[in-house]
Amino acid sequence: AQSVTQLGSHVSVSEGALVLLRCNYSSSVPPYLFWYVQYPNQGLQLLLKYTSAATLVKGINGFEAEFKKSETSFHLTKPSAHMSDAAEYFCAVSDRDTGNQFYFGTGTSLTVIP
Amino acid sequence: EAQVTQNPRYLITVTGKKLTVTCSQNMNHEYMSWYRQDPGLGLRQIYYSMNVEVTDKGDVPEGYKVSRKEKRNFPLILESPSPNQTSLYFCASKGLAQDTQYFGPGTRLTVL
Repeated sequence: AQSVTQLGSHVSVSEGALVLLRCNYSSSVPPYLFWYVQYPNQGLQLLLKYTSAATLVKGINGFEAEFKKSETSFHLTKPSAHMSDAAEYFCAVSDRDTGNQFYFGTGTSLTVIP
Repeated sequence: EAQVTQNPRYLITVTGKKLTVTCSQNMNHEYMSWYRQDPGLGLRQIYYSMNVEVTDKGDVPEGYKVSRKEKRNFPLILESPSPNQTSLYFCASKGLAQDTQYFGPGTRLTVL
């Protein structure tokens, strides 16, 4: 089975600072990769995904992520944090061949300090 | 509006009392799935379905049942709930040719 590791269950950044949320996957074959955001008391919203096109993927709200096969990573970044970015972020993967089973990381809670 | 709906949104019950959480989608998606979310564990897949009458186990199926009699509905059944099933549950759907899931708003279940 796949596994996803998100380093840092809690990340705090100052408003305007760089946001970096880390995600590493375990598969030897690059899977599909996703980042989701969950605002308090809400469901999950897709931020961006990597499915084999460009390795640098741009998503909504100014977020982007870079797929690095050599590092089995898919870290999420945003150049300048905004107060509205405070939320829980989940990295997820699914197998390329089936796409039926999804594996999520344990989540990173982002706090933005004014 | 394209959406995944879940009912109820909040439920408090007692150990052993059978319950069903409904999930419905209006996007004609073949694939539907259930997840539970627990602090420090992220989301874990319970069951998924690739089409009507086709269901399969995810990572944590014990204590749960599902059925897929209609394309739009995918209920989650707890025949004899236990306190360790207290959790936040999400339903999701997608087209078979798609890679992106659409999530429902969640159902917070407490089993006393």
